Amino acid sequence: NAGVTQTPKFQVLKTGQSMTLQCAQDMNHEYMSWYRQDPGMGLRLIHYSVGAGITDQGEVPNGYNVSRSTTEDFPLRLLSAAPSQTSVYFCASSGLAGYNEQFFGPGTRLTVL
Amino acid sequence: GENVEQHPSTLSVQEGDSAVIKCTYSDSASNYFPWYKQELGKGPQLIIDIRSNVGEKKDQRIAVTLNKTAKHFSLHITETQPEDSAVYFCAATSNTNAGKSTFGDGTTLTVKP
Repeated sequence: NAGVTQTPKFQVLKTGQSMTLQCAQDMNHEYMSWYRQDPGMGLRLIHYSVGAGITDQGEVPNGYNVSRSTTEDFPLRLLSAAPSQTSVYFCASSGLAGYNEQFFGPGTRLTVL
Repeated sequence: GENVEQHPSTLSVQEGDSAVIKCTYSDSASNYFPWYKQELGKGPQLIIDIRSNVGEKKDQRIAVTLNKTAKHFSLHITETQPEDSAVYFCAATSNTNAGKSTFGDGTTLTVKP
């Protein structure tokens, strides 16, 4: 099992550009989520999904979109990148919404100039 | 919503000493409390968790205690080793929050040889 994979590992964008961060898991988990990690601020939930076709907003959803067309994939789209979105992004999956261990991907380090 | 406070933000100990990290939570409906370890450049990884029907759980050198009345839980690491150096995050999950986890801001633990 590869677990949770994320691509790319690093990305530099210019203000106003758009891009998609990819996330995939091979554990047949229903629950997937996206977090951003900023220095001294822990992990903040952006969006989450409790199953294919179902998504909802987390704590900091503005400027991001998600979709869940399959159980395996949960891409995060930045619509128009801003310097405030410079962060490390983690995707995670869990067998049951938050009540069990979350498996995290290796992260994507994004810089917006 | 849920609010999780974690202390201290940094902790430095000598190899062989014990380390204690404390978290408090606000939502009395929270019932799942995981602890994650994040090594440099990697995603967080679960090291121990506890559910609200248990007061204490131990796994070799790591233990977690939960006080539901006071709404706080703690991570205890005994006989620390240099490889314990990392960032540690606590989290709380509540039935009233759609199973979403709220994370503390993290504790950077340094174990000096």
